[in-house]
Amino acid sequence: DVKVTQSSRYLVKRTGEKVFLECVQDMDHENMFWYRQDPGLGLRLIYFSYDVKMKEKGDIPEGYSVSREKKERFSLILESASTNQTSMYLCASSHLGQEEGAFFGQGTRLTVV
Amino acid sequence: QQQVKQSPQSLIVQKGGISIINCAYENTAFDYFPWYQQFPGKGPALLIAIRPDVSEKKEGRFTISFNKSAKQFSLHIMDSQPGDSATYFCAASPYSWGKLQFGAGTQVVVTP
Repeated sequence: DVKVTQSSRYLVKRTGEKVFLECVQDMDHENMFWYRQDPGLGLRLIYFSYDVKMKEKGDIPEGYSVSREKKERFSLILESASTNQTSMYLCASSHLGQEEGAFFGQGTRLTVV
Repeated sequence: QQQVKQSPQSLIVQKGGISIINCAYENTAFDYFPWYQQFPGKGPALLIAIRPDVSEKKEGRFTISFNKSAKQFSLHIMDSQPGDSATYFCAASPYSWGKLQFGAGTQVVVTP
């Protein structure tokens, strides 16, 4: 059974803190993605990666960075958390060239106070 | 600016009725159009997907209709059941494995 696991379901952080969101997939997928989900806006792409150590900006990268040191792990970093980064964060992965599409994790609800 | 526009924002349908959700896109580079279903507290899960070389795809009670010339596609849920109550997202991408552009989502409530 395919699995994308996000390390935390809920996080509460203070403004200005550095925040790490971790995502691991066990499907040997090449592609990994970080999306942010907000009511009325759907899911918006923050960053994605097509290979280890490779990253590309998505539609809303400002205030975020990512790290992919191993194929199975993709980390999202909030350099200095702000209240407008309070949101649901979703990690996804997909297999290059396959029709099965993207698989999502269960999400991390981040609250910045 | 949202590249995929989805409507309605919410929908209430009686058990046994038909739920219809519509999406429109502009980017002609899109070649893969999936629908995702999301239950509260869960991540989105792929429900059904279509490519523009077919006008309709059916899987059980779920059907995608695709109009390439109008750049529109829709999800029909036939014989809606309370267990179908969820948020549905349409999306589009140049590749099935690529980055997805999502619609804003439709919350569907099926009443008993």
